[in-house]
Amino acid sequence: QVKLVESGGGVVQAGKSLRLSCAASGFGFNNYAMHWVRQAPGKGLEWVALIWYDGSNKFYGDSVRGRFTISRDNSNNTLFLQMSSLSAEDTAVYYCSRGVGSQTFDYWGQGTLVTVSS
Amino acid sequence: SYVLTQPPSVSVAPGETARLTCVGDNIETRMVHWYQQKPGQAPVVVVYDDSDRPSGIPGRFSGSNSGNTATLTISRVAAGDEADYYCQIWDGPNNRGVFGGGSKLTVL
Repeated sequence: QVKLVESGGGVVQAGKSLRLSCAASGFGFNNYAMHWVRQAPGKGLEWVALIWYDGSNKFYGDSVRGRFTISRDNSNNTLFLQMSSLSAEDTAVYYCSRGVGSQTFDYWGQGTLVTVSS
Repeated sequence: SYVLTQPPSVSVAPGETARLTCVGDNIETRMVHWYQQKPGQAPVVVVYDDSDRPSGIPGRFSGSNSGNTATLTISRVAAGDEADYYCQIWDGPNNRGVFGGGSKLTVL
């Protein structure tokens, strides 16, 4: 079965960097686009970034463009999110998700919490 | 940038029909997806591509999309349907995902 497991979250100081990982299993990882979506405490969902199945194209939300970098290692079925210049506004649960068709997010991980302290 | 607007809350009695709306400019030209999120859990897609249902999602969940409004309809609402519901589209011209602000469904 499809499984997505995020890791790498934690408490980080404002201005610092953090790298999240998402280990994928149960499907042909190298055939699918992958996304990061985040949710601030008590708030709604916010799309963060997309990477195509082969890593050839990457797209970002306005609030993270220039600070976050999405990447993938298809040989190890892992998705990454490198986050830099973090601020309190980046505090959220970060989910990785598989994108299919018209970019429906059909499978989600359990999320990893990132807390940015000032 | 493209904006999706959802009412913050919708209340319905058990056994009744809930209609959750998602308003966007000419949204009928977009494919709309709907997610259910219960407290402490990851979202789950309940309707995709306006009106298709993933396997395992009850037939009580249905979707439609016309004009400027997409609608998720939940018939015969039960206590277990109480959750936050989000609509979502892919804004292809701008290569970005867009979520509505979410609607909290309360079963009275």
